Amino acid sequence: AQKVTQAQTEISVVEKEDVTLDCVYETRDTTYYLFWYKQPPSGELVFLIRRNSFDEQNEISGRYSWNFQKSTSSFNFTITASQVVDSAVYFCALGTSSGGYQKVTFGIGTKLQVIP
Amino acid sequence: DGGITQSPKYLFRKEGQNVTLSCEQNLNHDAMYWYRQDPGQGLRLIYYSQIVNDFQKGDIAEGYSVSREKKESFPLTVTSAQKNPTAFYLCASSPRTGGRSGNTIYFGEGSWLTVV
Repeated sequence: AQKVTQAQTEISVVEKEDVTLDCVYETRDTTYYLFWYKQPPSGELVFLIRRNSFDEQNEISGRYSWNFQKSTSSFNFTITASQVVDSAVYFCALGTSSGGYQKVTFGIGTKLQVIP
Repeated sequence: DGGITQSPKYLFRKEGQNVTLSCEQNLNHDAMYWYRQDPGQGLRLIYYSQIVNDFQKGDIAEGYSVSREKKESFPLTVTSAQKNPTAFYLCASSPRTGGRSGNTIYFGEGSWLTVV
């Protein structure tokens, strides 16, 4: 069974603060992939990153960075110098492949509010 | 522009009626998905399709039906058998399913369905 836990349901930070969104996953598959999506108030899920289980390199993209640690089954997301436009719900997701079908399990999301 | 188009954005249904949500993609993706999102919950998979004229039930398929007559289109019908249909519905697609690397799922803007 697959499971994604986002323990922080809501976070509020003041603009320019750094914030880390936690994601812990469970799977028995040795090959899997992890995603982060952003859902602004408009509703559409915007893809941010995909990381494969065999690639533990951390990644930085502008103010966004991701820390993948297989030892702790975590894939945390940090926003540096947060901005009001970062306010959204962020979803972590876990994907595995079985019989040609890609199964993706989502966490319940973390609502981030950046206060000006 | 390439993307996934869902319509209508907002839909109101009377109890006992069937309604169909449209989803069209021009990304030439093989796989398409329907997810349901309820407040405070993650996304739950309703149906998915890997190729034309083939589809499989997801985790919460009861009360829903789909068709995949064309690669670009994957409409979802919410039937009167769905006991609690009020939710946000997201259509998605990906280049192909399975494989060691997996593939990113891209989402449409969603459709809000309300039962009145």
